[in-house]
Amino acid sequence: DGGITQSPKYLFRKEGQNVTLSCEQNLNHDAMYWYRQDPGQGLRLIYYSQIVNDFQKGDIAEGYSVSREKKESFPLTVTSAQKNPTAFYLCASNFLGHNEQFFGPGTRLTVL
Amino acid sequence: GEDVEQSLFLSVREGDSSVINCTYTDSSSTYLYWYKQEPGAGLQLLTYIFSNMDMKQDQRLTVLLNKKDKHLSLRIADTQTGDSAIYFCAETPEGPYSGAGSYQLTFGKGTKLSVIP
Repeated sequence: DGGITQSPKYLFRKEGQNVTLSCEQNLNHDAMYWYRQDPGQGLRLIYYSQIVNDFQKGDIAEGYSVSREKKESFPLTVTSAQKNPTAFYLCASNFLGHNEQFFGPGTRLTVL
Repeated sequence: GEDVEQSLFLSVREGDSSVINCTYTDSSSTYLYWYKQEPGAGLQLLTYIFSNMDMKQDQRLTVLLNKKDKHLSLRIADTQTGDSAIYFCAETPEGPYSGAGSYQLTFGKGTKLSVIP
């Protein structure tokens, strides 16, 4: 099955700990994205990557880091510097030149 | 910067039509999208429209675009309980190679559609 997978679905973290969220796609998409969703809010872009080994900050990159070592993988690390990390995190991807983005099922991160 | 506005809630009776409205400010918006999000899930692309179109119909879904007023609407005919979800309007700017950030989607806050049986 082709698609975007995110793991885990639910994640709990203690304050002061870094945590990494996984995003994998087997659609051969070039670009990948990370969004954050808070209740009653739209999606806000954290980071995006159009090619391997390159990525750009979105609107709310502070406290987050990413890597793009492989085309199919775009992990997001939520660092202890992120002051309010509890949220629903969504990964998306698409082909360059095609603006339709396809989304994964999301990871709900809760900081205890 | 770009802004996309939607009303937050809509309640309709099963079998009626639903109309979800969206306004945007970026005059260079080229692609306008409607996404559906069911509880605890990711976003599902429902439909999209190019800015040079006025209307697009896809089964029970009709998208209307008034580019002059920067107004987009999604009509769902014969609304069913399975249509209950949050609907997001989103836009991207002109052209796929317009520079850094050209692939960024700007989302509205979403309209929560509740269908009453």
